[in-house]
Amino acid sequence: AQKVTQAQTEISVVEKEDVTLDCVYETRDTTYYLFWYKQPPSGELVFLIRRNSFDEQNEISGRYSWNFQKSTSSFNFTITASQVVDSAVYFCALSEAYKAAGNKLTFGGGTRVLVKP
Amino acid sequence: EAQVTQNPRYLITVTGKKLTVTCSQNMNHEYMSWYRQDPGLGLRQIYYSMNVEVTDKGDVPEGYKVSRKEKRNFPLILESPSPNQTSLYFCASSLRPGGGYEQYFGPGTRLTVT
Repeated sequence: AQKVTQAQTEISVVEKEDVTLDCVYETRDTTYYLFWYKQPPSGELVFLIRRNSFDEQNEISGRYSWNFQKSTSSFNFTITASQVVDSAVYFCALSEAYKAAGNKLTFGGGTRVLVKP
Repeated sequence: EAQVTQNPRYLITVTGKKLTVTCSQNMNHEYMSWYRQDPGLGLRQIYYSMNVEVTDKGDVPEGYKVSRKEKRNFPLILESPSPNQTSLYFCASSLRPGGGYEQYFGPGTRLTVT
């Protein structure tokens, strides 16, 4: 069965510090997809990134970067020079490509990031 | 504007009073699903639908029903709500059922059952 673990439940940083969110996943499939979502205090889910299991290139988007390491089953997320607007709950999720449940996302428990001014 | 809408956004109800949370998407998506979010547990899938008239249970289906009579709508029905169904509910849709398609989430419905 697939599983996603986000060991950090809450991280508190001061503005401009970097913060790294850990995500470890388990799956028996060779083809799968990994996602990160942001949930700001307003409650909606904001899609940040999707990665397929065959693409281990790291990705950078502005202040956000992602490190995918298949060898350790990890898909970590770093916010560089954090800002108050980054305060949110961040979810890592996994989707297996060919399961009968179609496009089901298995989510981690989430990491709450609090950025203080 | 492409979107997933849910109604109501907030609902407080009493144990046993049947309720329906509506979900509608305007993107002609085949796949739709419902999740509930609880602290520390992330989001868990309740039910999903591969297409019209095709629905199946997710990880936590007890106490819920769904139907998919039209492609755009996927209502979540709580026939006899109980306090343990107090949660934040999200509807989601994607173009196809396959694992690589991005899911679009609705704004969420916060349900309190007293």
